[in-house]
Amino acid sequence: DGGITQSPKYLFRKEGQNVTLSCEQNLNHDAMYWYRQDPGQGLRLIYYSQIVNDFQKGDIAEGYSVSREKKESFPLTVTSAQKNPTAFYLCASSMSDSGNTIYFGEGSWLTVV
Amino acid sequence: GQNIDQPTEMTATEGAIVQINCTYQTSGFNGLFWYQQHAGEAPTFLSYNVLDGLEEKGRFSSFLSRSKGYSYLLLKELQMKDSASYLCGRQGNLIFGKGTKLSVKP
Repeated sequence: DGGITQSPKYLFRKEGQNVTLSCEQNLNHDAMYWYRQDPGQGLRLIYYSQIVNDFQKGDIAEGYSVSREKKESFPLTVTSAQKNPTAFYLCASSMSDSGNTIYFGEGSWLTVV
Repeated sequence: GQNIDQPTEMTATEGAIVQINCTYQTSGFNGLFWYQQHAGEAPTFLSYNVLDGLEEKGRFSSFLSRSKGYSYLLLKELQMKDSASYLCGRQGNLIFGKGTKLSVKP
């Protein structure tokens, strides 16, 4: 079945460590996005990519990094520079950045221990 | 970011009608989404408006006024399972509002 797969579902990070969240889609979508969601809050855009080998910062990019080497993959690295990384992370994709439904992955819970 | 405003919380009664409003900055606007999100789950698509007017889809309808930078989601015949957060999102660079937490009471 086509869709977006995020992994892992749950991840624990020690302070000072970098961790990478995986996002893979087989929908042949051009655009991919990463959002952060804190408890009881809305979605805040971290990074987005409209095409392979190109990406732009969202509202809260500090402490995060991404890559878009393949169309189907958009991994997010939470670096040690992100001082408060505990949150729910959602990956999404769409055919383009205008006029198409956005599909979300199931999300990844990151907790700092 | 580009401001998208919606009420933080709303409460309604089972069987009633509720309207959730959303206002947004109009510059660079390409369309507006509504998503439903249950706690701890991914958002699910409800509607997409790019032209002015009302789009009806079963119990849910969404309205858009581009000149006013205004949209609303209308939920009819409320059911307990409609208790969730409702996210308004602006197309262009996919910015979402903070969401409206709807509680449906018996």
